[in-house]
Amino acid sequence: ETGVTQTPRHLVMGMTNKKSLKCEQHLGHNAMYWYKQSAKKPLELMFVYSLEERVENNSVPSRFSPECPNSSHLFLHLHTLQPEDSALYLCASSQDYSGGASYEQYFGPGTRLTVT
Amino acid sequence: EDKVVQSPLSLVVHEGDTVTLNCSYEVTNFRSLLWYKQEKKAPTFLFMLTSSGIEKKSGRLSSILDKKELFSILNITATQTGDSAVYLCAVGRNTNAGKSTFGDGTTLTVKP
Repeated sequence: ETGVTQTPRHLVMGMTNKKSLKCEQHLGHNAMYWYKQSAKKPLELMFVYSLEERVENNSVPSRFSPECPNSSHLFLHLHTLQPEDSALYLCASSQDYSGGASYEQYFGPGTRLTVT
Repeated sequence: EDKVVQSPLSLVVHEGDTVTLNCSYEVTNFRSLLWYKQEKKAPTFLFMLTSSGIEKKSGRLSSILDKKELFSILNITATQTGDSAVYLCAVGRNTNAGKSTFGDGTTLTVKP
């Protein structure tokens, strides 16, 4: 158990659905991250929140909408996704954040998303 | 643009062999280099390196950073089948600008 939990672990959704991914960290960290990992591609950083403020948004399509209501919770709201959005979505947290992968990150188990 | 390049992309060895994984980088305002191991889903942290020439060690794994030549190596001695995984290198900056800086990873397979 890494202290970072994600739900659901698996999600199948149609292109017209709206769903949300949830991440919770129990480590008292100040920064949280969303990553996308597609088959045979490197880990892609999507969003970073530091002290509940979004500090990085790496050209992610607007059909992905993050929300960080407090330092322990992070959501990724999904709307009108495409089949190419099917991937493993990983949440991570770190004590602090200064840029890139600057601090040790603790990853959740991921949500395997399939868009049909 | 920031860049992290890992080599080799994949490697197959037998138990007991020693392996060296490489990570080279070009990053603006470098702060740290981190190594992760990813077996099935979540990457798990191995090392964080911030200073040149200081080896970090954990059991059979060790890593060192060269900030002049801009690379790091991860060594695994006496490999075991449980070492089979994807090893990821990531670089951190002191500023927010720029994209994520994870490498493609090296897939290590250790055969019995």
